Amino acid sequence: NAGVTQTPKFQVLKTGQSMTLQCAQDMNHNSMYWYRQDPGMGLRLIYYSASEGTTDKGEVPNGYNVSRLNKREFSLRLESAAPSQTSVYFCASSEGAGANVLTFGAGSRLTVL
Amino acid sequence: AQSVAQPEDQVNVAEGNPLTVKCTYSVSGNPYLFWYVQYPNRGLQFLLKYITGDNLVKGSYGFEAEFNKSQTSFHLKKPSALVSDSALYFCAVSVYNTDKLIFGTGTRLQVFP
Repeated sequence: NAGVTQTPKFQVLKTGQSMTLQCAQDMNHNSMYWYRQDPGMGLRLIYYSASEGTTDKGEVPNGYNVSRLNKREFSLRLESAAPSQTSVYFCASSEGAGANVLTFGAGSRLTVL
Repeated sequence: AQSVAQPEDQVNVAEGNPLTVKCTYSVSGNPYLFWYVQYPNRGLQFLLKYITGDNLVKGSYGFEAEFNKSQTSFHLKKPSALVSDSALYFCAVSVYNTDKLIFGTGTRLQVFP
């Protein structure tokens, strides 16, 4: 099983450009998440989706949009990239609410110049 | 609001010695607590979780954690550290029956031969 697959692994953007990070899971999980990881800041939750068709804001949603396209896929879009969005982005999924364990993707490193 | 604090940026320990990585939390309601580990250039991997019951939780790779409700802590421990335990460790908390998982800033564990 592939688990959680993120694309692309690396991306360089110029300020103001847009892009979409793709995430797909093959574990039939209900919940999906997008985090960003920055030195000294740990992992911060951007958005999450408890089920197909629902999304909720996390700790740092500004500048991002998400789409839960179907049960498998959860995309993260940067409409107008800013240098402050330079980070490593992780997608994760879990079976559902509360006590379930997250399975993480390998990460996507984004640089905004 | 829920939050997690990891007061130490780095913990150094000699191989064979016991190790402790500290975590304190703040939530409204019953906490679900987790530890994850991240090796270089990888996504996070689940180590262990506390939901309810016995305050001492055992997890992967010989790690364990102790839940202390009065001190709102969930410290990660291992009786005898290995060099291969060197990694970045994250504590995380969610609240009963919710999908929102919040991580701490991480603690880098360095085990010296």
